[in-house]
Amino acid sequence: DAGVTQSPTHLIKTRGQQVTLRCSPKSGHDTVSWYQQALGQGPQFIFQYYEEEERQRGNFPDRFSGHQFPNYSSELNVNALLLGDSALYLCASSLDRNTGELFFGEGSRLTVL
Amino acid sequence: AQSVTQLDSHVSVSEGTPVLLRCNYSSSYSPSLFWYVQHPNKGLQLLLKYTSAATLVKGINGFEAEFKKSETSFHLTKPSAHMSDAAEYFCVAMEYGNKLVFGAGTILRVKS
Repeated sequence: DAGVTQSPTHLIKTRGQQVTLRCSPKSGHDTVSWYQQALGQGPQFIFQYYEEEERQRGNFPDRFSGHQFPNYSSELNVNALLLGDSALYLCASSLDRNTGELFFGEGSRLTVL
Repeated sequence: AQSVTQLDSHVSVSEGTPVLLRCNYSSSYSPSLFWYVQHPNKGLQLLLKYTSAATLVKGINGFEAEFKKSETSFHLTKPSAHMSDAAEYFCVAMEYGNKLVFGAGTILRVKS
């Protein structure tokens, strides 16, 4: 059983560009969350998707947007990239929306030059 | 809003000695608390969780944590460290609907 898979694993962009990160949840999981982990810090919640809608959002600007598809996979889009967006972006899936038991992927490391 | 404070950014122990990773939480009510572990180039993995059923919680790989409301603490312990325990550990509080609030992390080093 494949766990949470994310792509790409690494990417480099320049300021002002746009990026799309992809996530496939663990089999049977219908809820997907995205987190940003800056170097040396704990992950920070970006948003959560369930039934193809954004259900919760953290303290991130509108440049961060997402989507969930009918097969539960998800995308994170970041527009107008800033140097400060350089981070490890983590996708997590869960079967239940209120247990705190999340399964995380290995992340997509974004470097903005 | 929930917040968690991990009191040590780095902890170093010798193999076979006890491990103590400290965490304090801030909440106006009894929170759901977790410890997650992040091995290098691996995804975060749930170690254990507290949801008010019992104050002493046992997790995977011999780890356990004790919830102390009077001290607002949720420290992680293990009686005997193994080399494979070297990783970064995060104390986590849950807000509504699986929104997790992470501490800054504690890097555990295990010396042979």
